[in-house]
Amino acid sequence: HLQLLQSGPGLVKPSETLSLTCSVSGGSITSGTYYWGWIRQSPGKGLEWIGSIHYSGSTYYNPSLRSRVTISVDTSKNQFSLRLSSVTAADTAVYYCARPIYDSSDSHAYFEWGQGTLVTVTS
Amino acid sequence: EIVLTQSPGTLSLSPGERATLSCRASQSVSSTYLAWYQQRPGQAPRLLIYGASSRATGIPDRFSGSGSGTDFTLTIRRLEPEDFAVYYCQQYGNSPITFGQGTRLEIK
Repeated sequence: HLQLLQSGPGLVKPSETLSLTCSVSGGSITSGTYYWGWIRQSPGKGLEWIGSIHYSGSTYYNPSLRSRVTISVDTSKNQFSLRLSSVTAADTAVYYCARPIYDSSDSHAYFEWGQGTLVTVTS
Repeated sequence: EIVLTQSPGTLSLSPGERATLSCRASQSVSSTYLAWYQQRPGQAPRLLIYGASSRATGIPDRFSGSGSGTDFTLTIRRLEPEDFAVYYCQQYGNSPITFGQGTRLEIK
């Protein structure tokens, strides 16, 4: 049974970098053609797709965040990570990692989700 | 960017009734790339429907999706108490992937 476990700080100071990791258990991040995703949810903007990554390192990013986002993968640790730089209060949200329902480069309907991490940007 | 507009914003119904939720896209979306999610308080979204009409694993058959082009519908027949939640549509055929603002289904 696949599980996604998120880790990372819940408080980040303005202008600093938000860093979260999603550890995959019960399956290999290198199996199939899944694009593992990051999504966030804030009261003001609802659900927002941040980006996704294949274990090869191929990525897709939301253009609205592209200049500040880096998604990376560590196959040896079976995990992938999110970094969002120069954060402001507008980046306060619950951040989720997720895996699509089927493995295809065009599949981004997310079936498996992490537990969510509330990240608050505050000084 | 494709904007998804969901209606109504809030739907008040009783258990046993039928719910019809709408998702309208600002431009045509391939049916292959339209999904519906349910979200209960404090939980991550749960995938109900993908490809506009395919139920995800473990989803009861009282949930069904339909539609094409710019108009899509999620139907829940015979509402159960656990169905009262917020529902989101999502398109993933055009970048960036976008979500609707949600429909809150509440007990009348």
